[in-house]
Amino acid sequence: QKEVEQDPGPLSVPEGAIVSLNCTYSNSAFQYFMWYRQYSRKGPELLMYTYSSGNKEDGRFTAQVDKSSKYISLFIRDSQPSDSATYLCAMSSGGAGANSKLTFGKGITLSVRP
Amino acid sequence: DAGITQSPRHKVTETGTPVTLRCHQTENHRYMYWYRQDPGHGLRLIHYSYGVKDTDKGEVSDGYSVSRSKTEDFLLTLESATSSQTSVYFCAIRQAGASYEQYFGPGTRLTVT
Repeated sequence: QKEVEQDPGPLSVPEGAIVSLNCTYSNSAFQYFMWYRQYSRKGPELLMYTYSSGNKEDGRFTAQVDKSSKYISLFIRDSQPSDSATYLCAMSSGGAGANSKLTFGKGITLSVRP
Repeated sequence: DAGITQSPRHKVTETGTPVTLRCHQTENHRYMYWYRQDPGHGLRLIHYSYGVKDTDKGEVSDGYSVSRSKTEDFLLTLESATSSQTSVYFCAIRQAGASYEQYFGPGTRLTVT
């Protein structure tokens, strides 16, 4: 079982739809959770950062962490064509040295149709 | 923009030649990372550094070496490039302390023929 699993997609939705992107993980030591957005031929860009369980909202984006289920989600409200990108989840157990590394999901490509 | 540049941005090289990729940061961050990104594999860590002259291997380090002689520069070297090293390479940085998010550079697209 891979440490982080992410639906491979791709995902296509109409403009204005609510999008739900999800990752599951197996390592219970993970406590720092991130979502990155990556446009074609660009570097990943940090979108959301959360610590431990709970929700975090930033504009149209909400990140949700459920540590008891080892499940994280990213919700995009009122999706726009400009949201079309690949979304990667990432997580860390924290600490120093090797423990500071991020473990990534493989990413899901989202297309928002006008 | 996290103040990270990568050079070159594109490179085509032949099998067996050495290649060095450079990552440069302007914000004095302690941690620096090299990843490769391939279809079906996502981002995979090659090597990372937690200070000048302090480096360690990631999950796909075979065939790669790194050096960090200054805080701002982290070099990735392919000693003898192979076609399996054709990939997009990303550098990332992280501040020391309790914040674990990483910030990525624009990437280097490397093709080994």
